Order: sequence, then structure tokens, then C-alpha cells
Amino acid sequence: DAEITQSPRHKITETGRQVTLACHQTWNHNNMFWYRQDLGHGLRLIHYSYGVQDTNKGEVSDGYSVSRSNTEDLPLTLESAASSQTSVYFCASSDRRGGGETQYFGPGTRLLVL
Amino acid sequence: KQEVTQIPAALSVPEGENLVLNCSFTDSAIYNLQWFRQDPGKGLTSLLLIQSSQREQTSGRLNASLDKSSGRSTLYIAASQPGDSATYLCAAEAGSYQLTFGKGTKLSVIP
Repeated sequence: DAEITQSPRHKITETGRQVTLACHQTWNHNNMFWYRQDLGHGLRLIHYSYGVQDTNKGEVSDGYSVSRSNTEDLPLTLESAASSQTSVYFCASSDRRGGGETQYFGPGTRLLVL
Repeated sequence: KQEVTQIPAALSVPEGENLVLNCSFTDSAIYNLQWFRQDPGKGLTSLLLIQSSQREQTSGRLNASLDKSSGRSTLYIAASQPGDSATYLCAAEAGSYQLTFGKGTKLSVIP
């Protein structure tokens, strides 16, 4: 069955370190998204991609970057981790119009920045 | 900027009761409206997607309606069960595949 996976599921890091969160989908979807979920804010869009070599900034992109070198993967990098980036991160993917616009979500990565 | 609001933030009902969850959005120029379910410590699962041209969608005991002109959507759950306990999120899409989420309604169904 097609799925979307995230790794690691839990991560503890220190302020200032670079961290990369992995997202891999086997749906063969063109669109991929990264969100963060925080109490009081709900889910907010960090970055998104409509296809290989395409990346775009979302609502809360400062301090984060992504790259899309193939259809299946969209890794999220925290350039220099800050305590404000402690959160739960979700990756999602969706198809183009006509193929179904529902977003499929991964299980999440819980990140703690000390 | 689109804003999505869900009221109430939490709801507790006895098993078997029918219930309605509310979602409102500020910009009526949406492409679709989606409802998701989130269980504790888990990702989101899509429940229903309503295109802007549609008025409602049904799946089993769930029925979602959309009124674009008033900026409202409702999720109706019939004959609630303890297994329905979860957080329910609505999200509006403006046409670029990007979703704006509400903060969710946490539902508890008491046996």
C-alpha cells in the first residue's frame, strides 16, 4: 500500500545545531508539504513543493529550508535550531487536480530543541 | 489572509448522540473545504472533501455541508460512538493546494 513516512519520529537536539527531518511518500504525488503543529496555533504551513526542483515558502518559513531532488522525498532542514522550533512536524502529499486533492499526512516528528 | 475558526474547542457527549461540529472561514473564495480527524500522537486522516461547487458530502455516519456565501461548514456525526473520540480539524483550500487549518474541536464520546 502507498504511504507517507517520516523519520525520525522523535528527536532531541541542542540550540544551534542543524537538523534534517525526512519525509518519503510512495503515492507518486507531485505536491508535498511541511507543517508544524503547536498548541494554540494549530497547523501552519512551513514549505511546499509542486514537483521536482520546485520549492516555495509558506506562512512560517524563517529558519527552515527544503529541497526536492526526486518525486518521493522532501527533507526539511532547520539551519540552526532554536527553542522556538520545538514542535510536532507533519509532512503531507497530494495529487494534481483530477487525481484527488486530499492531502495524506505522515505520522509526524516530535522535535525538542534544548 | 484566510482565517479558519472552529467552535467549540472541546465537546463532550454521551454515546449515541447526534452532534454537529462547526467551521467558519473568512474568505469565501475557496476551492474546497476538507475535514480531518487526528487521534492523539498521530497524523491527520482525511474524512471528507467538499468541492466549492458542492453543498455536502457523506461518508457512513458522517455528513459535511458547505455554505460558501456565509463562510460556514458543518460536520454532522450520527449516533456517536466512543471510537469517534478524537480532534476534528477543518481546512480551507484557496486553489493553490495549500490548506489553512482551524485549531480543531476535541470530541469526547462518553460510553
